[in-house]
Amino acid sequence: SQQGEEDPQALSIQEGENATMNCSYKTSINNLQWYRQNSGRGLVHLILIRSNEREKHSGRLRVTLDTSKKSSSLLITASRAADTASYFCGLIIQGAQKLVFGQGTRLTINP
Amino acid sequence: EPEVTQTPSHQVTQMGQEVILRCVPISNHLYFYWYRQILGQKVEFLVSFYNNEISEKSEIFDDQFSVERPDGSNFTLKIRSTKLEDSAMYFCASFGRGWYEQYFGPGTRLTVT
Repeated sequence: SQQGEEDPQALSIQEGENATMNCSYKTSINNLQWYRQNSGRGLVHLILIRSNEREKHSGRLRVTLDTSKKSSSLLITASRAADTASYFCGLIIQGAQKLVFGQGTRLTINP
Repeated sequence: EPEVTQTPSHQVTQMGQEVILRCVPISNHLYFYWYRQILGQKVEFLVSFYNNEISEKSEIFDDQFSVERPDGSNFTLKIRSTKLEDSAMYFCASFGRGWYEQYFGPGTRLTVT
């Protein structure tokens, strides 16, 4: 399968804790993009990491990419109730232009 | 900040009817996409559009579907004869140049009864 597989499927933590989500894939990629989706809403682009990059930061977000293990992680530090959402990794496969998504991780931040 | 917009936000239609979903991509973007998400499932690619023609389409995008960029701003998805299984959220996305960083609209929820 070309799609990313997020792990865990669901994650529930206390506000202020860090949340880590993982994405694994099986093919060669051009880049990997993380998106957030609030219930019933659109996809919000969070961060893009290129295949030749290993780590990127954006505010409270930290993304890593290990192309040898074909995996990526998204770390949200100091979580807030507003971070409650589903998080998806989208792959741009080499030679393609479309995003291929996994099933997502449903993150719940408890106050 | 520029954003992708979509109309309507919710469309209810009867099986067999035609629907047109509308999108206004970010103005200087060149690549346009439609994705769909059946409730509770993952987001699936439908079609990509570049230089006024389809560049790629999925198995889902059969003869009942068509896309058009009728003017310099709108990008539409038409479903000619809707089926119950077409009920889903439909997302438009666009990107400009570089690394295919795609920006999504808020979606149109299509309900086929």
